[in-house]
Amino acid sequence: QKEVEQDPGPLSVPEGAIVSLNCTYSNSAFQYFMWYRQYSRKGPELLMYTYSSGNKEDGRFTAQVDKSSKYISLFIRDSQPSDSATYLCAIPYYTGRRALTFGSGTRLQVQP
Amino acid sequence: GAVVSQHPSRVICKSGTSVKIECRSLDFQATTMFWYRQFPKQSLMLMATSNEGSKATYEQGVEKDKFLINHASLTLSTLTVTSAHPEDSSFYICSARKVGMGTDTQYFGPGTRLTVL
Repeated sequence: QKEVEQDPGPLSVPEGAIVSLNCTYSNSAFQYFMWYRQYSRKGPELLMYTYSSGNKEDGRFTAQVDKSSKYISLFIRDSQPSDSATYLCAIPYYTGRRALTFGSGTRLQVQP
Repeated sequence: GAVVSQHPSRVICKSGTSVKIECRSLDFQATTMFWYRQFPKQSLMLMATSNEGSKATYEQGVEKDKFLINHASLTLSTLTVTSAHPEDSSFYICSARKVGMGTDTQYFGPGTRLTVL
């Protein structure tokens, strides 16, 4: 079983839609969770960073962590064509190292 | 946020030559930097962890003599691909770990696309 599982998509939505992106993870000891956005041929850009369970909101983005089900989500409200990118969930590899293990990434296309 | 730069952004070289890629944290100090490799339509795969002032830690299957890493200062790590071959062609991305009050995360460089002919 992979440490982090993510549906690769692609996911296509109309402009203005609410987008839900999800990952599951296997190790209940994980505490930190991140979401990155990667445009084609660019490095990943940190979007959201959460610790433990709960919600965190930043503008149109909301990150949600449910540790009981080992499920993390990223919601994008009022999606824009500029949100079209690959979204990667990421979790620190293991305690102390802080290298990241990534989900496979979900490719999102927002249609104008 | 924080800014991490990489240089060069793109390099094309002949088989058998060596290529050096620089990763710099521009507005913070990073005792730890990471090097990743990404193939088309695939996720990032960790190659090695670079620690300032000490030897890098390589992931299983990554040849340390082929991918030389030097973390010369708190803002600079370099990856040298020695005797490059076409199978080394890939997108190489570095990240720098930023630790502060209530935060411990990584910021990525823009990546370097290596093409070995």
